[in-house]
Amino acid sequence: GAGVSQSPSNKVTEKGKDVELRCDPISGHTALYWYRQRLGQGLEFLIYFQGNSAPDKSGLPSDRFSAERTGESVSTLTIQRTQQEDSAVYLCASSLGRAGYEQYFGPGTRLTVT
Amino acid sequence: TQLLEQSPQFLSIQEGENLTVYCNSSSVFSSLQWYRQEPGEGPVLLVTVVTGGEVKKLKRLTFQFGDARKDSSLHITAAQPGDTGLYLCAGGGSARQLTFGSGTQLTVLP
Repeated sequence: GAGVSQSPSNKVTEKGKDVELRCDPISGHTALYWYRQRLGQGLEFLIYFQGNSAPDKSGLPSDRFSAERTGESVSTLTIQRTQQEDSAVYLCASSLGRAGYEQYFGPGTRLTVT
Repeated sequence: TQLLEQSPQFLSIQEGENLTVYCNSSSVFSSLQWYRQEPGEGPVLLVTVVTGGEVKKLKRLTFQFGDARKDSSLHITAAQPGDTGLYLCAGGGSARQLTFGSGTQLTVLP
């Protein structure tokens, strides 16, 4: 079956603009995760959804970051008033929802803020 | 806060050599996963270990979960250029998100 897909694959934006990043999880996966990865580094947890609810938003770096999920499917990560330090690869993953278990990742969106 | 430390951070070896990557924490994890990530792609799950002392083999890769479930190792025998990539360990606990290590960038030279 289809894996996790993300769009766009690359996004270049000017400082101060808003951006929306999209994630389509694997069908039937109830859990969805967003991570940020800076060049050559590990993954920084941002937010987790179980169904359409976000029980853990602890990783969002500031109130400029928000995310939503609808229909227990597609999720959108929005970054308002982008800053240069927001430049990174944003990765989405989905899983069957068991605690911390076997996440399947999309290819990521590379965000560059100029 | 649960933290996972990986070592070494960078590793460059010749084809045919053996190597071991370590993943250590002071916290106990209910499961430990290893991922490999290639440039421009998301991490791909290699293995999940859940029992203390568990050893799993995947062709030339051997994964071990420490007896106390605080650490893990990945051993690659006779490394090949296709093994090149960023190796990430990730621990699962009571919370639903995984805690990722900082990664080991492996380069295998032909």
